[in-house]
Amino acid sequence: DIQMTQSPSSLSASVGDRVTITCRASQSISSYLNWYQQKPGKAPKLLIYAASSLQSGVPSRFSGSGSGTDFTLTISSLQPEDFATYYCQQSYSTHMYTFGQGTKLEIK
Amino acid sequence: QVQLVQSGAEVKKPGASVKVSCKASGYTFTSYGISWVRQAPGQGLEWMGWISAYNGNTNYAQKLQGRVTMTTDTSTSTAYMELRSLRSDDTAVYYCARDLLRLGFYYMDVWGKGTTVTVSS
Repeated sequence: DIQMTQSPSSLSASVGDRVTITCRASQSISSYLNWYQQKPGKAPKLLIYAASSLQSGVPSRFSGSGSGTDFTLTISSLQPEDFATYYCQQSYSTHMYTFGQGTKLEIK
Repeated sequence: QVQLVQSGAEVKKPGASVKVSCKASGYTFTSYGISWVRQAPGQGLEWMGWISAYNGNTNYAQKLQGRVTMTTDTSTSTAYMELRSLRSDDTAVYYCARDLLRLGFYYMDVWGKGTTVTVSS
């Protein structure tokens, strides 16, 4: 199985900060990497697919990059509604997916 | 609009089975797959498996093989996930999600609101 490791596990930041979350795969997954945002009590929401493609309706302050084993999710200027938990997910193994353990983004 | 509506919360005893439904609307059901994802209290997301709504093909997470069955009813655009021999660590919120293929990449773009399954004696 492909293992996905996110860092950090938690992060404190302020409104307006630039934030980067990292996701590392245990083997090369090309660009088969998706990012989701989850708020407490809510279903996950797709932000980025194929490592860097912004899902329709997602603000442009969110961006993704990387390929192979190392990926990043960047929020260019944190807004109050961005405080949530973020998950990466690999889709390289077709229909045999794995998620990272999550990164909780909290208000400083 | 595209949506997935899941069945209501369930409370089950250890050893029992649960069957969660996920009714799709707003799109052609058979043109996409459905993935199931669960989340134990305070924990992260765990992918459980996938079913093609086109032909019923399935893939299951290895740890759930033998206990989980995913099916679809194309006449009602509904997907089902059945989990047997329930244990306390199956207590979780269970999500269905539309599994989409675009430009060679798979991702889950629409999610149900979740179904809470509690396993307790």
